[in-house]
Amino acid sequence: GESVGLHLPTLSVQEGDNSIINCAYSNSASDYFIWYKQESGKGPQFIIDIRSNMDKRQGQRVTVLLNKTVKHLSLQIAATQPGDSAVYFCAENSAGNQFYFGTGTSLTVIP
Amino acid sequence: NAGVTQTPKFQVLKTGQSMTLQCAQDMNHEYMSWYRQDPGMGLRLIHYSVGAGITDQGEVPNGYNVSRSTTEDFPLRLLSAAPSQTSVYFCASSYVGAGEWSYEQYFGPGTRLTVT
Repeated sequence: GESVGLHLPTLSVQEGDNSIINCAYSNSASDYFIWYKQESGKGPQFIIDIRSNMDKRQGQRVTVLLNKTVKHLSLQIAATQPGDSAVYFCAENSAGNQFYFGTGTSLTVIP
Repeated sequence: NAGVTQTPKFQVLKTGQSMTLQCAQDMNHEYMSWYRQDPGMGLRLIHYSVGAGITDQGEVPNGYNVSRSTTEDFPLRLLSAAPSQTSVYFCASSYVGAGEWSYEQYFGPGTRLTVT
């Protein structure tokens, strides 16, 4: 999984399989988290967010899980498609106005 | 509705030159921010603004200035460009409403800056 300061992790999955992307965050006071998707040459795109008073939140084909005990966040993508190939970032927020991003995970979907 | 726009898309500067990266949004968002993205480092916050006339520093503000005279525009100024400022710069905006807990940030397409 990703964490601040590490080299970009990579994940390859077969089309149709489920993908799990992990993120370890650093600040135990962080109370809001966002997952972003970034395709090559484009700006990040919001996928899903979660507050610290939640353990799980679901969107369309995506689920975010939050484990505050171990400061871990995961993004699950169901039935991964070639269009899901991108770099995925988690971002944490603790002060209301500042977001801190992880280094990202590169997801490659194999047709 | 164009969303968040940034100009220029690409720029090459010589060390010591100054320039302004433009950012505009047409969604009436109060919150706007500037990030830089370097390989293997993720996005780092440079400056942000919670409304017209209000700006604050982020994680890596040195060498950059911002101003927010209108809700729509949030330019980023490089005072004296250095090779360490070679990066991709992203502007973002979001709505922050009373009682809202979701801060969906909309990002622009980025400006790729090279300082030689």
